Amino acid sequence: DTEVTQTPKHLVMGMTNKKSLKCEQHMGHRAMYWYKQKAKKPPELMFVYSYEKLSINESVPSRFSPECPNSSLLNLHLHALQPEDSALYLCASSRAGTSGTIAGELFFGEGSRLTVL
Amino acid sequence: AQKVTQAQTEISVVEKEDVTLDCVYETRDTTYYLFWYKQPPSGELVFLIRRNSFDEQNEISGRYSWNFQKSTSSFNFTITASQVVDSAVYFCALSGTSYDKVIFGPGTSLSVIP
Repeated sequence: DTEVTQTPKHLVMGMTNKKSLKCEQHMGHRAMYWYKQKAKKPPELMFVYSYEKLSINESVPSRFSPECPNSSLLNLHLHALQPEDSALYLCASSRAGTSGTIAGELFFGEGSRLTVL
Repeated sequence: AQKVTQAQTEISVVEKEDVTLDCVYETRDTTYYLFWYKQPPSGELVFLIRRNSFDEQNEISGRYSWNFQKSTSSFNFTITASQVVDSAVYFCALSGTSYDKVIFGPGTSLSVIP
């Protein structure tokens, strides 16, 4: 079983809806990530939170709004999405630090498959 | 700018064959990290290995081995005696000075045929 839990697993929403994706980890990791993955494509980095602060925003449209309420939780709020936003949204976590010695070992959840109608 | 290239889009092998997945990277950082991840059909990405730019020692883990060559900017992955369970998409990835920013290559889809 994955140690990064994402809910819901599937979400269908209209372009005027507001919904949220949730991610939870209890490994004590202090860095959390959102990636977007389209079919047959690699994951694309969207946001990184390090110690509950937004450290990386890859120029993501404002209709995606991340939130990190505490070190274990990561949300992605969705509003006024477009059909092209349909994708698999992956949450990941890793140990964070002040050096790169623990860089990049990401633990991924199973993803939330989003369909925008 | 950082970039990862995986020239092989799809590979099919017969079970028990050896297979090598190629990865070429570009970065201007002098310190960087390379990774391989596996994504089985279930969708969850699984971390396989990380190498630091200053450690070119090759690594073997069971049937898996990795060959890191800075001179050719390559970090290739070999599966020995492939098994059906190895069927997945394999991603090579890179992070640099901004070590939280992990960039994935396009992936290689490996099919192991019984």
